[in-house]
Amino acid sequence: DGGITQSPKYLFRKEGQNVTLSCEQNLNHDAMYWYRQDPGQGLRLIYYSQIVNDFQKGDIAEGYSVSREKKESFPLTVTSAQKNPTAFYLCASRGQGIHEQYFGPGTRLTVT
Amino acid sequence: GQQLNQSPQSMFIQEGEDVSMNCTSSSIFNTWLWYKQDPGEGPVLLIALYKAGELTSNGRLTAQFGITRKDSFLNISASIPSDVGIYFCAGPSGSARQLTFGSGTQLTVLP
Repeated sequence: DGGITQSPKYLFRKEGQNVTLSCEQNLNHDAMYWYRQDPGQGLRLIYYSQIVNDFQKGDIAEGYSVSREKKESFPLTVTSAQKNPTAFYLCASRGQGIHEQYFGPGTRLTVT
Repeated sequence: GQQLNQSPQSMFIQEGEDVSMNCTSSSIFNTWLWYKQDPGEGPVLLIALYKAGELTSNGRLTAQFGITRKDSFLNISASIPSDVGIYFCAGPSGSARQLTFGSGTQLTVLP
């Protein structure tokens, strides 16, 4: 089945550690996105990538990094520089020529 | 940047009742999208609207693209318990087809 997978579903880390969240899609979509969602709030864009080996900062990129070495994969690293990393992280992808984005199931990151 | 104001922020309704929510923008959109997010899951696309005045249905859900192109409405008829969740509107922004999201409407359906 085609879709977007994110792993793991729940992730726990100690403060000061970097952590990488996985996002994989088999929809053959060119564009991929990372969002952060905090309780009771909407989605805020962290990074996005329109093609392989290219990515752009979103509205809240500080403390995060990404790579796009393969079309199918867009991992997000939450670095120790991110001051408030505990949140629900969502990955999405979009096909060429359309606006609709399709989301993965999300990863809930808790940093203590 | 573009802002989307979504209302109401939350709704508590009885099972079987109809629901209406809306989204307004500070600027014109050429596409409106409506998503539903179940607790702990990623948003799922419900309806996409592409033309001012367009009315589109998906089962018990009906969405409309406002004729001013600055608003959109989502109606749910005869609500059921599985309608519980957060409903988001979204519209395209930026040259890379980013989406701007509303803050969401939290829907609770009481038995």
